[in-house]
Amino acid sequence: LAKTTQPISMDSYEGQEVNITCSHNNIATNDYITWYQQFPSQGPRFIIQGYKTKVTNEVASLFIPADRKSSTLSLPRVSLSDTAVYYCLVGEPLLDAGNKLTFGGGTRVLVKP
Amino acid sequence: DSGVTQTPKHLITATGQRVTLRCSPRSGDLSVYWYQQSLDQGLQFLIHYYNGEERAKGNILERFSAQQFPDLHSELNLSSLELGDSALYFCASSRGTNTEAFFGQGTRLTVV
Repeated sequence: LAKTTQPISMDSYEGQEVNITCSHNNIATNDYITWYQQFPSQGPRFIIQGYKTKVTNEVASLFIPADRKSSTLSLPRVSLSDTAVYYCLVGEPLLDAGNKLTFGGGTRVLVKP
Repeated sequence: DSGVTQTPKHLITATGQRVTLRCSPRSGDLSVYWYQQSLDQGLQFLIHYYNGEERAKGNILERFSAQQFPDLHSELNLSSLELGDSALYFCASSRGTNTEAFFGQGTRLTVV
């Protein structure tokens, strides 16, 4: 499984865009990149998943460069309720992969008023 | 609501005891994952079942065991409990074994 590296924490202000970069230098050809959000004492929530280039949904955008050795989660115009821990995961979504869905340390994002 | 149900929500028990945590996955999901999260710690992967079969095992102690039943619900059994086993235990489910998983609200276990 590819190891991921993310900043431990980030501060932002309401209305700003937050960009969290995840490094995954040894990503494998079949690996996908997935981001989760976790609030205190709650289970993580899926945000977005991608393989290459750019993926956008109603919550966030995910930018993946051509070499796929990193990815950036972009949260547009954050609010106080976006204060949470954000996890980057890299894994192979195949039936027999025995997917461990391993979470790293995550990035603690604090949105200030 | 993720559609994943975990019971009980809270559990307080004494050291040395045994408890069973239950997880009902989303309808149609074949994969169930179990995680442990201690205070201010990351999510530690314990075990993954797919359609009743164990598919991957993480740092799960020998005192812990799990199974997935024919109706796809899963149980995590924790025995000979120690104070250090106090944590949030999360269950997640997914349609297959891809990484888009949905987590339950967790069971908070307190060992006293």
